[in-house]
This record gives sequence, C-alpha cells and structure tokens, in this order.
Amino acid sequence: AQSVTQLDSQVPVFEEAPVELRCNYSSSVSVYLFWYVQYPNQGLQLLLKYLSGSTLVKGINGFEAEFNKSQTSFHLRKPSVHISDTAEYFCAVRNPPGDTGRRALTFGSGTRLQVQP
Amino acid sequence: GAVVSQHPSRVICKSGTSVKIECRSLDFQATTMFWYRQFPKKSLMLMATSNEGSKATYEQGVEKDKFLINHASLTLSTLTVTSAHPEDSSFYICSAKQWVGYEQYFGPGTRLTVT
Repeated sequence: AQSVTQLDSQVPVFEEAPVELRCNYSSSVSVYLFWYVQYPNQGLQLLLKYLSGSTLVKGINGFEAEFNKSQTSFHLRKPSVHISDTAEYFCAVRNPPGDTGRRALTFGSGTRLQVQP
Repeated sequence: GAVVSQHPSRVICKSGTSVKIECRSLDFQATTMFWYRQFPKKSLMLMATSNEGSKATYEQGVEKDKFLINHASLTLSTLTVTSAHPEDSSFYICSAKQWVGYEQYFGPGTRLTVT
C-alpha cells in the first residue's frame, strides 16, 4: 500500500521569502510523484511531476522539487514566494503505468501555504 | 488541451433527494475517470474508479448504492448521490485519464450542500 505524509498542515511565510513544503511517501514499488495546487473552491492544477531521470524537477510558477529515494521524500521549494502563491498544496503518488498497483493517485493531507505581505 | 469540466459547480438540495454531478472531458477521450471527495481542510479521498463501458470500482467504505457512477461514453461520467443527507455535503472532484499515459486531468469540482 502507498501512503503520503505532509507533516506541515500550514506554512506561513512572508512575501519574497523562500519556502519548502515537505512530502514523504512510502511504497514497496517504484512510484511517480506529483505536486498539485488548489486555489479556493477550485480543482487541482498540476505543478510538477517526477517520473524518472533527473531528481530535480522544475514546474510552473517557479516551483521545483527534488526526489530523494533514500529519504523517500519529494519536497517542494520556491526561492521567493508571492501573495498569489497562497493556496493548498498536495503531494501525490501513483504506480507507473503497467505496474499491477492501483492507477489512482494517493494524496497527502495537504499543506496550506499562507503568504503574508 | 486536456480540459475537464464539471456541472454544476454548486448545488443545494434537500435531504432525501438525489443529485447528479456530471464530469466531461472536453478535448480528449477519457477511458478512465476517478471520483474524489474532499472534506473541509482535508485531502482528496478516492471514492471510485470508472472505466468506460464497465462498472465502477468502489473504494472500501464507499456505498455503491448511494453513490451511483455511470461512465457510458468516452467523454462523460456521472455521479449520482441518492437520498442525500447533510453528511453527504462535500466538495466532489472528478479527474479523467486517457488510455495511454499516466496523467490525470482534474475538473474544477462541485460543491454539494444538503439541507
């Protein structure tokens, strides 16, 4: 079974400061990893994904994440946040296509990023 | 490309009535659609997976007779909440996936309020 842990339910940060949102996962097999952003009363938008290859992946809106297999982590970072980055962020995993595992995404509990002026 | 819509965006219904939520893939064929439920300040919980033309696979603890899912075409899946109760009030989100690949595309969600 897969699971995703986002230890921080809320992260307050001042505008233009750097931020890191933590994500750890557990899985007995290889996984694909994703970060999604959700603005109030909206669906999810894909920020970035790790499938294979380079462990540092860059996404939209200046976000990046680094896959660390030994620590089973996929932390999300941004060097300088804006007020508009205030939203809920979800880390998610799934099995690669072709694996016998479930195809649906397993989500973490989410981290509320609150950017203050 | 890869746009998924949901209708309605918000719905208020009375306890005991049924409500249908539609999920459409607008510019691709969705062989698989997923229905999620999101409680306030909580993560998305998968309710069921539906493949076009076959019965949906429900997650443990989800009542299949209460949450009826139909995926009759490659662009439309519906979730019907039957005999709704206030505890069914939630944000329901669908996602759609093509036959090839891994990526899921999410709809904007439907806010259901049962009074």
